[in-house]
Amino acid sequence: EVQLVESGGGLVRPGGSLRLSCAASGFIFRNYSMNWVRQAPGKGLEWVSSINGSGSYTDYADSVKGRFTVSRDNSKNILYLQVNSLRVEDTAVYYCVLAAYWGRGTLVTVSS
Amino acid sequence: DIVMTQSPHSLAVSLGERATINCKSSQSLLYRSNNKNYLAWYQQKPGQPPKLLIYWASTRESGVPDRFSGSGSGTDFTLTISSLQAEDVAIYYCHQYYHTFRYSFGQGTKLEIK
Repeated sequence: EVQLVESGGGLVRPGGSLRLSCAASGFIFRNYSMNWVRQAPGKGLEWVSSINGSGSYTDYADSVKGRFTVSRDNSKNILYLQVNSLRVEDTAVYYCVLAAYWGRGTLVTVSS
Repeated sequence: DIVMTQSPHSLAVSLGERATINCKSSQSLLYRSNNKNYLAWYQQKPGQPPKLLIYWASTRESGVPDRFSGSGSGTDFTLTISSLQAEDVAIYYCHQYYHTFRYSFGQGTKLEIK
């Protein structure tokens, strides 16, 4: 059974940083591209970032490009999202997603 | 990028009646090598993550009541709730995973009881 468990969210001031993690199990992690999707309070779903199976290719939404960095550790089956220079508008639940499989998310709140 | 257009934005249906939500993609989601449409439907209630209802456009996830069904192929898809129950009040989203990068989602449909 595919399981995705996010962690690392929290309350941070504007300009601050966090590292989000997603522990994956139930599938051959290194064989699959992975995605981060976020949902701001009361808003819809927004794709944030993707990474291919080897980690050699990444992609970002324009809204986070240059501030967020996606990476993965295939030896540990963990996906990461380093979020820097955080803005109030980055406040959201961040989900780790593989096709139609989702984790429960981790909440990032950016506030002074 | 694939753009997903979902309609209507909101919908009010009487208990026991049919609810229909539409989703249109800007390009085909049918992968010809396996004849699968890379389209999923989710239900989301307040404070909860999206719950998978339908994948491959028409395959019901285990445990999902059979009043939920998905149909369509290519660029046009439909989620149907055959007989609305009170617990079906939620926001519904479609999601294309045809591209393993750059997922995209419909804007959501808020379903209420009339």
